Amino acid sequence: GENVEQHPSTLSVQEGDSAVIKCTYSDSASNYFPWYKQELGKGPQLIIDIRSNVGEKKDQRIAVTLNKTAKHFSLHITETQPEDSAVYFCAASSNSGYALNFGKGTSLLVTP
Amino acid sequence: DAGVIQSPRHEVTEMGQEVTLRCKPISGHDYLFWYRQTMMRGLELLIYFNNNVPIDDSGMPEDRFSAKMPNASFSTLKIQPSEPRDSAVYFCASSFDSNEQFFGPGTRLTVL
Repeated sequence: GENVEQHPSTLSVQEGDSAVIKCTYSDSASNYFPWYKQELGKGPQLIIDIRSNVGEKKDQRIAVTLNKTAKHFSLHITETQPEDSAVYFCAASSNSGYALNFGKGTSLLVTP
Repeated sequence: DAGVIQSPRHEVTEMGQEVTLRCKPISGHDYLFWYRQTMMRGLELLIYFNNNVPIDDSGMPEDRFSAKMPNASFSTLKIQPSEPRDSAVYFCASSFDSNEQFFGPGTRLTVL
């Protein structure tokens, strides 16, 4: 089955700096890669996703890049703000059923 | 839309008792997912349904766990008998014919 590895497990940055979280996956059939943000006491919320026919996608301060050859994808947050502090999860799935396989999460702390 | 609704939000029970978690997906969504989240194992997919039919239950830990979806607007996850190692946050998520999954707020289960 699919195995998703996520690094780092914790990340601390100063407000205004950039943050990068990286994930690798094992199943070459995976073609959908979402990123979720989870705040304390809440369920994960989708913030951005990318499909395998695209190499990069951007939404304001958030961008995701995908390298299918190397089987890795990354989340980039620019101009970080304290409200970006949360746990971020990457995931991967193939079209066969939409089941998501999640990474273990990255706890991001943005200090003022 | 109220989003995915889960109840109860918190459940404390004693080992050996039956536990039933409930989920109401977003109206019109045809996929429903049950996840379990722990510090050690992260977010794990337990089972998912399409049009009320279970598609993949390979993530269900053991026979003590069962899930049903009697209609498009309701699903239950039952643990009988419960054990301390079942303590976790259980999430329900739903989606419509796509990979984007919307998560509920979760049920925090503590088994003493």
